Amino acid sequence: GAVVSQHPSRVICKSGTSVKIECRSLDFQATTMFWYRQFPKQSLMLMATSNEGSKATYEQGVEKDKFLINHASLTLSTLTVTSAHPEDSSFYICSAHLRQGASETQYFGPGTRLLVL
Amino acid sequence: GEDVEQSLFLSVREGDSSVINCTYTDSSSTYLYWYKQEPGAGLQLLTYIFSNMDMKQDQRLTVLLNKKDKHLSLRIADTQTGDSAIYFCPPPGITPGGSTLGRLYFGRGTQLTVWP
Repeated sequence: GAVVSQHPSRVICKSGTSVKIECRSLDFQATTMFWYRQFPKQSLMLMATSNEGSKATYEQGVEKDKFLINHASLTLSTLTVTSAHPEDSSFYICSAHLRQGASETQYFGPGTRLLVL
Repeated sequence: GEDVEQSLFLSVREGDSSVINCTYTDSSSTYLYWYKQEPGAGLQLLTYIFSNMDMKQDQRLTVLLNKKDKHLSLRIADTQTGDSAIYFCPPPGITPGGSTLGRLYFGRGTQLTVWP
C-alpha cells in the first residue's frame, strides 16, 4: 500500500517555541493532505485540509495563525505549531488522499508526539 | 462533521471471532473504511467497502454494510493477540457543496482486547 511518513516522530520543546512537523507521501502524489490531532484516549480530530498550491482549509475552532500549514509540493505538507504551549501537547497525525480512478483512500502517517514543557 | 456510534470496548479470547459495529447518523459516501490504530501509532487502512456492496471479504476480515439501517460491521475471524488495537469506521464529512473532498471524521473507536 501507499506509504506516508512523518518527521519527527517525537519532539519535546519549551513553551513559546515553534515546532514544524513534516508529512510526506513517499510513493504517490497527494494534492490533498489532512492534519489531525489526537488527545489520549480520544478520537482523532480533523484540524485542517492541506491543499497543494493553495491555502489550507481549517476546521471550525482551529486557529490558522496558530497552526500554519504549507503544502508546497505534491508530496510534502508541513504543520508548524507556533508559540507552542503545554495545551498543544498532543499526537499529531497526517494523512494523504490518494485518488485512483473511481476509488479514493486516505493513508495515514505514523504520527508525531509533541510535548510542550 | 458526521456522527458515528461505536461501542468503546470489546474483549474476545484468542481464536474467537470479533464483530465491531458502527452506526452512522448520515452517510452518502461512495466508500466506507475501517482503520486500525495500535498503541502510539498512526492509523492503518484495514479495508473498505464500496457503498453499493452488501459484503466484502478480505482474508480474515468481513465487512457488512446495511445502507438502509446505516450500519457497518467488521468481523475478524480467528482473532489473534496482534489484532488488539482501536478500530475506527470514520464517516466522511460532507462539504456544503456536497463533496466529501476525502475529509473523514473519527469517533473514539472501539478498543479491541484479545486475551490469550
